Amino acid sequence: QKEVEQNSGPLSVPEGAIASLNCTYSDRGSQSFFWYRQYSGKSPELIMSIYSNGDKEDGRFTAQLNKASQYVSLLIRDSQPSDSATYLCYNKLIFGAGTRLAVHP
Amino acid sequence: DAGVIQSPRHEVTEMGQEVTLRCKPISGHNSLFWYRQTMMRGLELLIYFNNNVPIDDSGMPEDRFSAKMPNASFSTLKIQPSEPRDSAVYFCASSLTSEARGEQFFGPGTRLTVL
Repeated sequence: QKEVEQNSGPLSVPEGAIASLNCTYSDRGSQSFFWYRQYSGKSPELIMSIYSNGDKEDGRFTAQLNKASQYVSLLIRDSQPSDSATYLCYNKLIFGAGTRLAVHP
Repeated sequence: DAGVIQSPRHEVTEMGQEVTLRCKPISGHNSLFWYRQTMMRGLELLIYFNNNVPIDDSGMPEDRFSAKMPNASFSTLKIQPSEPRDSAVYFCASSLTSEARGEQFFGPGTRLTVL
């Protein structure tokens, strides 16, 4: 049974801090990973994709992939209250349970 | 582009009734996904189609659930008979790529309540 694991949180960070969201996966052959953001009452939307080991940066967001450790993370720099949402890790048809992030002023 | 369109947005029905959810994917997308989201179980894939053909339906809970994609611009998810435990938000998503290697665009969802 393939799995995607996330800490459900909530993860609470002060405004301006770095939020670090983590995800582990079980399928060693996986090549592509995605981070989706879901605001309360809304549908998920893609914010980052990553396909190779290392870091991928897009604005305030950085995705990190370590295939040897089967680990993918999402860093949000200069966190804003508008970043408060649930962040879902996705791999091969499976969504993680999501980590709820709360950014407080 | 209008994005993925789902209807109805809300559905309240009584146990035992038939429920049909509808989805129009983004034009040109060749993969379509149906998901169910609950607090307890999170976001679960029910079935996905590629080029209108069902590829993976292992997430369909039981025979009460069925999905069709008669053409590239329309899909339905039917529950017959419905039960209170089917209450959830059902999302449809579409993607340009096959399988699950690409970005999925989600519709607004249908909130189903079965009394």
